[in-house]
Amino acid sequence: NAGVTQTPKFQVLKTGQSMTLQCAQDMNHNSMYWYRQDPGMGLRLIYYSASEGTTDKGEVPNGYNVSRLNKREFSLRLESAAPSQTSVYFCASSSPYPNYGYTFGSGTRLTVV
Amino acid sequence: AQSVTQLDSQVPVFEEAPVELRCNYSSSVSVYLFWYVQYPNQGLQLLLKYLSGSTLVKGINGFEAEFNKSQTSFHLRKPSVHISDTAEYFCAVIKNTGNQFYFGTGTSLTVIP
Repeated sequence: NAGVTQTPKFQVLKTGQSMTLQCAQDMNHNSMYWYRQDPGMGLRLIYYSASEGTTDKGEVPNGYNVSRLNKREFSLRLESAAPSQTSVYFCASSSPYPNYGYTFGSGTRLTVV
Repeated sequence: AQSVTQLDSQVPVFEEAPVELRCNYSSSVSVYLFWYVQYPNQGLQLLLKYLSGSTLVKGINGFEAEFNKSQTSFHLRKPSVHISDTAEYFCAVIKNTGNQFYFGTGTSLTVIP
């Protein structure tokens, strides 16, 4: 089925460890996004990529890096995990006008201890 | 800059009763408006969207929303809720020239048997 695939679904890290969250979409969308979701704060944009080869900071980019590997894949890296990065992470891709709308992945639940 | 306000963080409602979830936005330019639903432990799914045309838009699962430009609102309604409507609901906007979505903090709808 067409959509956005995120891996892993769950992860526990120790403070200071690094990891990469993977995201791939098969809908030929140009734009891709990484959000984090925390209770009472909704979804906050970490980074986005409007097209292959470009990336831009969102609202909460500190502590994260991204790579738009190709049109399909957009990865999020935590170089040195901190407890404040405990969250649920969502990847999304979007179709352009007139079929605007995000397609979300199923999320990665990350706990940093 | 765009911002989205969902005034009600939690809305309890009895089964088969009507419900309205409120969303207000602020923007200096024209925007497109969306409602997403998130069921427990899942990603977000598109309920409905307003891009242009009729200000009353109908979505999936019997939901509808009305765009009111003068009041900068996009409230979500359903005339009779079901237990399965229990979920988190997010309002989102995007500039008509942009590619970045802005989300509200979410409204948790709980349907009581």
